[in-house]
Amino acid sequence: EAQVTQNPRYLITVTGKKLTVTCSQNMNHEYMSWYRQDPGLGLRQIYYSMNVEVTDKGDVPEGYKVSRKEKRNFPLILESPSPNQTSLYFCASSSLRQVREGSSYNEQFFGPGTRLTVL
Amino acid sequence: ILNVEQSPQSLHVQEGDSTNFTCSFPSSNFYALHWYRWETAKSPEALFVMTLNGDEKKKGRISATLNTKEGYSYLYIKGSQPEDSATYLCAPVNSWGKLQFGAGTQVVVTP
Repeated sequence: EAQVTQNPRYLITVTGKKLTVTCSQNMNHEYMSWYRQDPGLGLRQIYYSMNVEVTDKGDVPEGYKVSRKEKRNFPLILESPSPNQTSLYFCASSSLRQVREGSSYNEQFFGPGTRLTVL
Repeated sequence: ILNVEQSPQSLHVQEGDSTNFTCSFPSSNFYALHWYRWETAKSPEALFVMTLNGDEKKKGRISATLNTKEGYSYLYIKGSQPEDSATYLCAPVNSWGKLQFGAGTQVVVTP
C-alpha cells in the first residue's frame, strides 16, 4: 500500500531534550516536505527536499533540522525543543514533474501527523 | 511567502444545498493550484491539481475552476452531504516551485 508513515504519532517532551520525528514514504517520490499546523495559521512549511542530499528552508525553519540521506526517509530533528514548537506536524511527499522553469509538484501525499507537546 | 487567501473562513451548509468558496492567489508567476480536503483527525488528501487558465476539474459532487489571469479558484460542492464536512485547503505553486497553503475554508454540513 502506497503510504507516508510518521513516528511517533504522539510525543510529550521537555524543553531542551533533543528529539527526532521520522518520516518514510514507499512511493519513490523525489519531493518530501515537513509542515506544522497551528490553530488559525494553516499549514506552514518547515523544510523541504527535492531529492537525496538536497534540502531547503521553508517558511518557518528556525529550531529545526532535516536530512535526506535516502530517498524514502526525511527525518525532522529538533535539537533543543522549546514550548513554541508544540504543534501538529505533517510530513508529505510527491513526485515531481519537469516544467520549463525547472520542477513542480504533483499532488502531495501526507503522513498521519505527529502531535508534539513541549513542556 | 505567497499571499494566499481563502474565503470564507468557515461556512455552514444544510444537507442537500450546494455551496462554493474561493481561493485567491498572486497571478504573477503562477504555475499550478492544488486543492486538498482535510477531515478532522485525518491527514489532508489531494482533490485536484490544476494548471491551465479556464481549467475545470470534477470529482463526484465536488468541482473546481481556475482563473490564472485574475488569480482565483472556486471550489463547488453540489448537493452537500454530512461526509463533505471538512476543511478545504488550496495551495498555489509559483513558477519557482514555491508552494503555499491557504488557511482553509471549514465546511460544516448539517442534516
